[in-house]
Amino acid sequence: GQQLNQSPQSMFIQEGEDVSMNCTSSSIFNTWLWYKQDPGEGPVLLIALYKAGELTSNGRLTAQFGITRKDSFLNISASIPSDVGIYFCAGRLNAGNNRKLIWGLGTSLAVNP
Amino acid sequence: GAVVSQHPSRVICKSGTSVKIECRSLDFQATTMFWYRQFPKKSLMLMATSNEGSKATYEQGVEKDKFLINHASLTLSTLTVTSAHPEDSSFYICSARDLQSAEAFFGQGTRLTVV
Repeated sequence: GQQLNQSPQSMFIQEGEDVSMNCTSSSIFNTWLWYKQDPGEGPVLLIALYKAGELTSNGRLTAQFGITRKDSFLNISASIPSDVGIYFCAGRLNAGNNRKLIWGLGTSLAVNP
Repeated sequence: GAVVSQHPSRVICKSGTSVKIECRSLDFQATTMFWYRQFPKKSLMLMATSNEGSKATYEQGVEKDKFLINHASLTLSTLTVTSAHPEDSSFYICSARDLQSAEAFFGQGTRLTVV
């Protein structure tokens, strides 16, 4: 099935550093979502974006919905050890009855304390 | 906040047996539930979408007779893996959404191992 291009695939950073990851698509979306998944758990929604150009923050996390509607990025500032996990982007077109999420392949984040 | 509870979190079964996984919305009515499968270090793969009281819509390549989905009430959906084989071993995750929520909430996942 269709998947989003998410990069980087993995990151190894020092505690306190900022992190940036992004997702791109060949098709446009009306919704971009960012999730975090801890090992052995289901994904948890971090930020939801519904409007092109929208910039939204959730604590140390900031995400933006690209103007072209084909991309989004997630920034994490001043990383801490509990930020470790896999981050997924997901997009949705919302056309008619199509509310299916298209998922990125994930960015694995490791933080060295 | 909305809570989705999935049970069991881990299950080991013998080949040829069937396994049922439950997904419950604890504090809201889930009009739509989604079932995903996730392989190690991979993304989520949607298996099927179910609306309360109607038949589930399966994604291409997912065998509906193999993965039986029942969404008989507004708070419970079940996924039954029938005649399980080792290749069915995977992490299965449900998510649920109500009419008021813009987004669905995920359960904790079920690690299925077929031996």
